[in-house]
Amino acid sequence: EAQVTQNPRYLITVTGKKLTVTCSQNMNHEYMSWYRQDPGLGLRQIYYSMNVEVTDKGDVPEGYKVSRKEKRNFPLILESPSPNQTSLYFCASSLGRTAGELFFGEGSRLTVL
Amino acid sequence: KNEVEQSPQNLTAQEGEFITINCSYSVGISALHWLQQHPGGGIVSLFMLSSGKKKHGRLIATINIQEKHSSLHITASHPRDSAVYICAVSYSGGGADGLTFGKGTHLIIQP
Repeated sequence: EAQVTQNPRYLITVTGKKLTVTCSQNMNHEYMSWYRQDPGLGLRQIYYSMNVEVTDKGDVPEGYKVSRKEKRNFPLILESPSPNQTSLYFCASSLGRTAGELFFGEGSRLTVL
Repeated sequence: KNEVEQSPQNLTAQEGEFITINCSYSVGISALHWLQQHPGGGIVSLFMLSSGKKKHGRLIATINIQEKHSSLHITASHPRDSAVYICAVSYSGGGADGLTFGKGTHLIIQP
């Protein structure tokens, strides 16, 4: 089954404690991306990757890091989380930036205390 | 910053009604996506368009490149269509390869 898998789905952490949200896809997609969704602001892109070892900033990259060492995985790293990073996070993938539909993970709800 | 505007923000209709949700963008795009998000749920891609019109079941999506406008239509609406519908665009040129999203249209279909 074609899917994008995110983990963890729910996480409560404290300010400054490094965390990683994993994202994996099984469709051999080249394009992967991370978004955050906040009430009143909608979805905003954090980082995206056009292919292995190719990543770029989206609209709200501050406080986040990503890496794309393998085609299937695109982890989101919060080196020193802060309360303003409390949000609902989605990972997505597609064949290319403008090729094919987007497949989203189920979302990861992160709370930073 | 290039923006994506959706209208209406909120829409309540009766079961069976024809629904139209609009999306406008500011500059040339290479692709436009329509997404659906049910309350408390994940996000599902409905359509990806670069020109013309697409149909899937009761859903129809159109795009007018010259007018920089897209519409999502739902025929014979049903309560299960109640969801947030989100428009997203990939802007062409300028080295920007990300996606920009509208704030969504919250649709409620009453039985």
